[in-house]
Amino acid sequence: GIQVEQSPPDLILQEGANSTLRCNFSDSVNNLQWFHQNPWGQLINLFYIPSGTKQNGRLSATTVATERYSLLYISSSQTTDSGVYFCAVEGAGAGSYQLTFGKGTKLSVIP
Amino acid sequence: DTGVSQDPRHKITKRGQNVTFRCDPISEHNRLYWYRQTLGQGPEFLTYFQNEAQLEKSRLLSDRFSAERPKGSFSTLEIQRTEQGDSAMYLCASSFSSYEQYFGPGTRLTVT
Repeated sequence: GIQVEQSPPDLILQEGANSTLRCNFSDSVNNLQWFHQNPWGQLINLFYIPSGTKQNGRLSATTVATERYSLLYISSSQTTDSGVYFCAVEGAGAGSYQLTFGKGTKLSVIP
Repeated sequence: DTGVSQDPRHKITKRGQNVTFRCDPISEHNRLYWYRQTLGQGPEFLTYFQNEAQLEKSRLLSDRFSAERPKGSFSTLEIQRTEQGDSAMYLCASSFSSYEQYFGPGTRLTVT
């Protein structure tokens, strides 16, 4: 099946700093989503971005499908940005419908 | 739009007991998914419904796990004869066709 690798696994930032999280995937995809998992376990949708670039406030994401990677940018980080960020993909092959998740990037933003 | 809901949010059970979890998807979504998440890992796919049809169940972890979606609405996930290794967060998601999946808050299962 499709493989998803996220980097870095852990990231510590000073409040106000910017960061880039990376997601590499091993095959063509129909769907790519970025999530933020809060301390209570809820997965919060950040972006649905199988290709192209999107922005939402301080967050933006870019997926280059032909090169099989996606980037999540966080600018002017805040302590509330802390948590685990997951990239998840749905492969483009026949019978693919589920999301395959990476292991996540654990972000800690310190005041 | 009230989002995906799951019940219960927490379940503590003794080894060997059966448990059942419920998921109510977003009303206009025709696809429903179950995932399991263990500590430090990303969610792992278990099974998937399109309307009332269960189109993939080979990824259910053992024959002790089963899922239903009667009438294509809510879904239940049952684990029979629970084991300590079943302790995890069980997540439900829904989508309209192959578009964006939305997740519920999860049911955290603890098997003692």
